[in-house]
Order: sequence, then C-alpha cells, then structure tokens
Amino acid sequence: GENVEQHPSTLSVQEGDSAVIKCTYSDSASNYFPWYKQELGKGPQLIIDIRSNVGEKKDQRIAVTLNKTAKHFSLHITETQPEDSAVYFCAALIYNQGGKLIFGQGTELSVKP
Amino acid sequence: GAGVSQSPSNKVTEKGKDVELRCDPISGHTALYWYRQSLGQGLEFLIYFQGNSAPDKSGLPSDRFSAERTGGSVSTLTIQRTQQEDSAVYLCASSQREDRGGYTFGSGTRLTVV
Repeated sequence: GENVEQHPSTLSVQEGDSAVIKCTYSDSASNYFPWYKQELGKGPQLIIDIRSNVGEKKDQRIAVTLNKTAKHFSLHITETQPEDSAVYFCAALIYNQGGKLIFGQGTELSVKP
Repeated sequence: GAGVSQSPSNKVTEKGKDVELRCDPISGHTALYWYRQSLGQGLEFLIYFQGNSAPDKSGLPSDRFSAERTGGSVSTLTIQRTQQEDSAVYLCASSQREDRGGYTFGSGTRLTVV
C-alpha cells in the first residue's frame, strides 16, 4: 500500500525567511496531493493541493511542487510569519481506493519573530 | 451545516467502558472518513463511508472498534471495552466525492482512557 514519508519533523525559521517541507510517496498510482495545516486543538485545514497533471501550484505565499518521476512533492512557504507556526501534514490519495488519504508524519514549523 | 461537527470535544472514560463518538458531516457530502491521531503522531486511517456503506474498514485496530452511518449523514464511532492505548484524538472528515480529496475535517474528539 501507499506510504508517505515527510521531512523534516521539526523546522524553525526566522520571520521573513522561507520554509520548505518535503514528502515522498511510494504508490505511483497516487494522483492527488494535499497539504494540511493543523493548529493546536484544531482539526487539520486544507491549505493547498496539487493533482498529478501539473508540476507546480501557487497561492499567495505558499506553493507546492510535484515531481512524479521521483515521487516527491514539496511545500514552500515564503515570507514566513508567526501565524504560520503550526504542524503541517502532506498526504497522498490512493486513486480507486475510495479517496483514502495517507498522511505523512507531520512537520512542526516554528516561526520566530 | 457549515462545517464538520464532532461531539463530544473531550471525553474522559474509565478503562473497560464503552464510548461513542459522533460526527456530523457537511450537508451533501457523501464520503465520510474517520482518522485517529495519537499524541505527536500523524493521522492513522480507520474507516471510510460512501453513503451508508463502509467499503474500507481496514484501519480499525481491533474488533472493539466499530462505526456506522445512518441516512447518509451522521456517523458514530464506537469503542467497546476501552483501553489506555485507545487514548487519542479521533478526527472525522467529509468530502463531496470519494475520489476527489478535498476533505474538510472536524475539530476532533480528544479521548482519554484512565
């Protein structure tokens, strides 16, 4: 079955710097890759997603890149702000298996003012 | 409703007791998913529903865990004879279609077994 590996597990950056979180997946049939942000005491919130027919997607300060050949995708956050501090999860969807998302282990991002 | 609603938000129970966790998905969302998040860990898939049927129950950790969904809406996750290792946050998500992602998560139920 699908396996998603996420790195790093913790990331600390200065406000204004960029942050990059990387994930790899094992099942080449996966075709949908979302990123979720989870703040303390809340459920994960979808922040950006990408489908396998594109290589990059941007939404203001966040972007996701996908390399299908290498089976990895990354989240890029530019001009980080303290409110970006949270746990970020990547996931991959197993196509034809009911939309079951398999999640990475999460990255705790800390943005220091 | 406007979002996915889960109740209770917190539950403390004694070891050996049964508990029921409720999820009320977004109106019109046909797919519903249950995940478990242990402290500092990722999200572990438990079960998903398409309508009222559960095509994939592969993540349920033991036969003490069961779930049902009625009327294509509300779902209940039941844990019988709770154990301390069941302590976790139980998250529910719903989506419009089972194969398109776009999950919306609830805030979860924090279960503590003492």
